[in-house]
Amino acid sequence: EIVMTQSPVTLSVSPGERATLSCRASQSVSSNLAWYQQKPGQAPRLLIYGASTRATGIPARFSGSGSGTEFTLTISSLQSEDFAVYYCQQYNNWPQVTFGQGTKVEIK
Amino acid sequence: QVQLVQSGSDLKKPGASVKVSCKTSGYTFTSYSMNWVRQAPGQGLEWMGWINTNTGDPTYAQGFTGRFVFSLDTSVSTAYLQISSLKADDTAVYFCARVREGSSWHGCFDYWGQGTLVTVSS
Repeated sequence: EIVMTQSPVTLSVSPGERATLSCRASQSVSSNLAWYQQKPGQAPRLLIYGASTRATGIPARFSGSGSGTEFTLTISSLQSEDFAVYYCQQYNNWPQVTFGQGTKVEIK
Repeated sequence: QVQLVQSGSDLKKPGASVKVSCKTSGYTFTSYSMNWVRQAPGQGLEWMGWINTNTGDPTYAQGFTGRFVFSLDTSVSTAYLQISSLKADDTAVYFCARVREGSSWHGCFDYWGQGTLVTVSS
């Protein structure tokens, strides 16, 4: 099984600042990596797929990069609605899809 | 517009069974795989497996074999998750999630149901 490790576990950021979240895979997943945002009591929302392609309707302040085993989600200027938990997911090793444990982005 | 609407929360006793439904609309049901994801209280996301909505063939992730069954009713564009012999640690929110458009059968998930809380308690 491919293990996805996200860091940090919690990220404290002030509104308007930049947030950088990391996701590492235990083996290469090529670019088959997605990022999701989840707010309390809600379903996850797809932000990024293919490591760097924004999903429909996702603001440009969200960007993804990386390939192989190292990936980054960057939120260029945090808005109040961006405080949430973010998960990475690999779908390269189908049918063994795995998620990271999540990074909580909280208000500093 | 694409919608996945799940059945409501359920409280079950240990040993009982539960069936969660995921009714879809706004797209061709048999053209996209359906996935199931579990989220225990305060925990992360765990992929349970998927079902090929064209053939009905299910695939279960490790840890979700035996007591878990995925099924379909294509006449009403609905997917189901049944869990038997419920245990306390099955308490979780269960999500259905459609594979992303353009992904063929395998990929990430662009539309999700709202989640169904299943509570197992005596």
